[in-house]
Amino acid sequence: DTAVSQTPKYLVTQMGNDKSIKCEQNLGHDTMYWYKQDSKKFLKIMFSYNNKELIINETVPNRFSPKSPDKAHLNLHINSLELGDSAVYFCASSQDGWTDTQYFGPGTRLTVL
Amino acid sequence: GQQLNQSPQSMFIQEGEDVSMNCTSSSIFNTWLWYKQDPGEGPVLLIALYKAGELTSNGRLTAQFGITRKDSFLNISASIPSDVGIYFCAGQGPSSNTGKLIFGQGTTLQVKP
Repeated sequence: DTAVSQTPKYLVTQMGNDKSIKCEQNLGHDTMYWYKQDSKKFLKIMFSYNNKELIINETVPNRFSPKSPDKAHLNLHINSLELGDSAVYFCASSQDGWTDTQYFGPGTRLTVL
Repeated sequence: GQQLNQSPQSMFIQEGEDVSMNCTSSSIFNTWLWYKQDPGEGPVLLIALYKAGELTSNGRLTAQFGITRKDSFLNISASIPSDVGIYFCAGQGPSSNTGKLIFGQGTTLQVKP
């Protein structure tokens, strides 16, 4: 009965490849997020969707494209992977986009070789 | 943009000791949150603060929302080995109507049994 789940847990790939990370929440929340945690553990928001609509789009290379097929899923596609994309990516969700608690998934560790 | 300064960066303490960490900002926040991240996991919410001056406890944890709305602290009393992890403060500013959280750099806590 995992609340926010991500797959895969680990992803190792070569530079230049295209990859996807999937996220699903079973909390009935309206808002989902993608965060990037770098090697210094700094957490920074990348995207946020509310009811499948993009509401936050930080300064992220357009090689990163989120896709929300329904409000329970928010997938992250990354094209032409670069070494600097190596990080841990966290999906999160909240009831709505305002002051509600954000619940985080377990993270996907992406390593680009 | 808004930034949070969290200190200390790391702490190494003896089991049973009390711990204190804090976050400061140059701009005001409407909400302060404290998260804990265990190795290989996503951040988990510990305490949420919504009003200036608010003091909230969760077991051995106590957090306060500073009167100026520019700072917050987290105290852990009588630390135990399972308190080990990275503690993050996070804030939502008054201009944020999108749920965007700004995270501190994290405090890594190690507890020696």
